[in-house]
Amino acid sequence: GAVVSQHPSWVICKSGTSVKIECRSLDFQATTMFWYRQFPKQSLMLMATSNEGSKATYEQGVEKDKFLINHASLTLSTLTVTSAHPEDSSFYICSARRTSGVSGNEQFFGPGTRLTVL
Amino acid sequence: KNQVEQSPQSLIILEGKNCTLQCNYTVSPFSNLRWYKQDTGRGPVSLTIMTFSENTKSNGRYTATLDADTKQSSLHITASQLSDSASYICVVSKIAGGYNKLIFGAGTRLAVHP
Repeated sequence: GAVVSQHPSWVICKSGTSVKIECRSLDFQATTMFWYRQFPKQSLMLMATSNEGSKATYEQGVEKDKFLINHASLTLSTLTVTSAHPEDSSFYICSARRTSGVSGNEQFFGPGTRLTVL
Repeated sequence: KNQVEQSPQSLIILEGKNCTLQCNYTVSPFSNLRWYKQDTGRGPVSLTIMTFSENTKSNGRYTATLDADTKQSSLHITASQLSDSASYICVVSKIAGGYNKLIFGAGTRLAVHP
């Protein structure tokens, strides 16, 4: 149990376009999901915390108008990179916090989405 | 300041050899410490999780230790395999607002050569 999926696994887009990345908790409910960004040879950096039914909380330095987050259900959060530019190219990873069970309060990570902006 | 520092930054070993990765932290209040394995282009996968009272936790060829007094942890890999090549990330959870906030180390990149 506790599987998190992301779609797509990789995407290539043109500069100026918007890209949506989905994060799903497949076998558990998650009131809170997290979005991370990872540059090559660096560790994960938290971008924002996504709470079901409310606005996301963004980390300092992350533009909320550029990285739109929607957490419409207990199993789905989406990250939309608006007007993408080459510097947005990165590996985006989501995680979901299980709300109940023996693993309550633990975060489970998705497989990541590789975004390349040309 | 809440920090997690890992060493070495990178490591190359021969297949079959053992290795030990280090993690020092200054996170407070401490909740737990996890070691994750992250293959290139994949998300992190949990190897071990230890709370304050646990000193050792094993998962197959992976053995993690925790010294809560000195705030140090290690991950020992026994009889390394080529598939062990990955980044190993030490993550310390801090109690914040009733939930755990994760503090990530920069990771150790391990390369196992035949």
